[in-house]
Formats: sequence, C-alpha cells, structure tokens
Amino acid sequence: QQQVKQSPQSLIVQKGGISIINCAYENTAFDYFPWYQQFPGKGPALLIAIRPDVSEKKEGRFTISFNKSAKQFSLHIMDSQPGDSATYFCAASSGGANFNKFYFGSGTKLNVKP
Amino acid sequence: NAGVTQTPKFRILKIGQSMTLQCAQDMNHNYMYWYRQDPGMGLKLIYYSVGAGITDKGEVPNGYNVSRSTTEDFPLRLELAAPSQTSVYFCASSLVSGSLGEQYFGPGTRLTVT
Repeated sequence: QQQVKQSPQSLIVQKGGISIINCAYENTAFDYFPWYQQFPGKGPALLIAIRPDVSEKKEGRFTISFNKSAKQFSLHIMDSQPGDSATYFCAASSGGANFNKFYFGSGTKLNVKP
Repeated sequence: NAGVTQTPKFRILKIGQSMTLQCAQDMNHNYMYWYRQDPGMGLKLIYYSVGAGITDKGEVPNGYNVSRSTTEDFPLRLELAAPSQTSVYFCASSLVSGSLGEQYFGPGTRLTVT
C-alpha cells in the first residue's frame, strides 16, 4: 500500500508556464512534507519542505500548497525553465525524536520545453 | 567535503552472485540509509542505521544485509543476487532523524542482475 500517492507521472510544460505536481496521503500522523528534485544520474536533493501548521510555503519560484483537511499537498513551479527539467518526488514523515521513515511518492518527470 | 559517495556507479551481476555496495559520508552524520529506486515506484527504504554499531530493517530488507562499524561507512551486502534486485540503489545520510533532518543522497549505484 503506497503511503503517498503522486500525480501526474509525467508533465510537459512550456518555458514560462506553471508546473503543478500533486501528492496525497492517508496517515494523519505525517507532519513533514518535503519535495526532492532529481536530475538524471544524480541522487535526489531536497528542494523545499513544509509542515502542516502553514498552508503555503514559497521559496523563489517554488511553492508548496498544503491542504490538511484534504490530506493533499502540491508543488507549484512558477515561470518554469528548461533547467527545471528533472524528476520530482514528494515525501512524508512523522516527527519526533525517534527514528522516522520517509515515505516517497512515485515521482513526476517534468520536461520544460524551450 | 565530498558529501555522500557511493561505489561502484554501475554493476552487472549474474544470478546467485554476491556483492557489496559501498557508501561513505564525511559530514559526521549519525543517520544513514539505503534506498532502492525502481521505475515508477519512488524510493523504498531497505535498511537504516542510527549510529555506529546500530542497524535496523526498513520496508524491503529481504536479500540484503548491512553493517555500520564506523560513523562514516555503511556498506550494503547483496547475497545470492536475484533479478528482482535489479534497481538503482541510493545511500543517504542525515544529522538527525526524520522531519528534523535533511537527508543527503549519494549519486546512486545502478545494479543489473541477469
């Protein structure tokens, strides 16, 4: 059973457009939701993350929107650039001092056309 | 500061062979992880370690073994390789656990078992 469901599987956006990737979860104990960016041949790297006490977090052109009641969160990439072409993974984890696993979505391959 | 390094980058194994995937980090991180990434499936946790001498199973540990004799190194051992172990393997580390600490990923090892 997949703890975090991600869509779409792939996305093509024109340069300057908005890219939107969605994730949904079931476990209400999750309280940390990072997004990772992965370029071909590289490991994932943390892009931006949010905790459920806020509904939105923005860092430059990247914004996470969080809907606690719907148990959904999404990544918005404004003014998408060809350099943003990569695979994006959402993830979820629960907090606390003990070890907590991350559960990753299945990934979205973004292609930004020049 | 090299971050997280993994060797080899690529490997082809025959069914039944064994091998060790190497992982090292130079950030003095307590936590280290091994993930596998299958196409369209996101990352799944194989094993993790909360410090030297302490390891535990993740979601998909069968067919693998780990050890953590030092803070820096966390090798993953495959015994009796099977085609189902064909995957990309990522090692990661973090200073603290779960939502409290960003995970830093290595570049990955692409393993094919034929």
